[in-house]
Amino acid sequence: GAGVSQTPSNKVTEKGKYVELRCDPISGHTALYWYRQSLGQGPEFLIYFQGTGAADDSGLPNDRFFAVRPEGSVSTLKIQRTERGDSAVYLCASSSPPGETQYFGPGTRLLVL
Amino acid sequence: AQKVTQAQTEISVVEKEDVTLDCVYETRDTTYYLFWYKQPPSGELVFLIRRNSFDEQNEISGRYSWNFQKSTSSFNFTITASQVVDSAVYFCALSEEEGNSNSGYALNFGKGTSLLVTP
Repeated sequence: GAGVSQTPSNKVTEKGKYVELRCDPISGHTALYWYRQSLGQGPEFLIYFQGTGAADDSGLPNDRFFAVRPEGSVSTLKIQRTERGDSAVYLCASSSPPGETQYFGPGTRLLVL
Repeated sequence: AQKVTQAQTEISVVEKEDVTLDCVYETRDTTYYLFWYKQPPSGELVFLIRRNSFDEQNEISGRYSWNFQKSTSSFNFTITASQVVDSAVYFCALSEEEGNSNSGYALNFGKGTSLLVTP
């Protein structure tokens, strides 16, 4: 079956702009996670959804970051007033149930100029 | 504190050599899960193995094998007869039942080990 998909694959934006990153999890997976991977580092947890609700957003770096999953499937990560330090690869993963193997999408490479 | 330590930043081997990637973890939970993922140059994280804390049996899958030792909090990964296609960054990760409050077993990754296999 189809894996986790993410769009766009690459996004270049200017400092101060707003961006949205989309994640389409594996069909039927109830748990959805966002991670951020900086160059040379392991992925770092941002936010976890169980169904439609954000069960844990403790990894979001500040209030410029927000994510939604309105229908319990597709999720959108939103970044306001982007900064150069937001440049990274944003990874989405899904599993079912939580604790089972997380399967990752190809990521969105965000570059803030 | 770092929950997962991969002390080897880079390893370079010649094809057909065996190589072991080390992973040491830290947790106070009794129920937890350990993972290895491969990240080839294309960038996508590829799942290799998941092991729960109650299963210390070593596992072998083709040229890959894993040694889980709770006594030393280690979960090492060995590639036998390495091949050029094994070149990638390998990540060890930990998810805990309670350690991350309600983060649904979010993964804590190590910094990764970059493996280069040359012909």
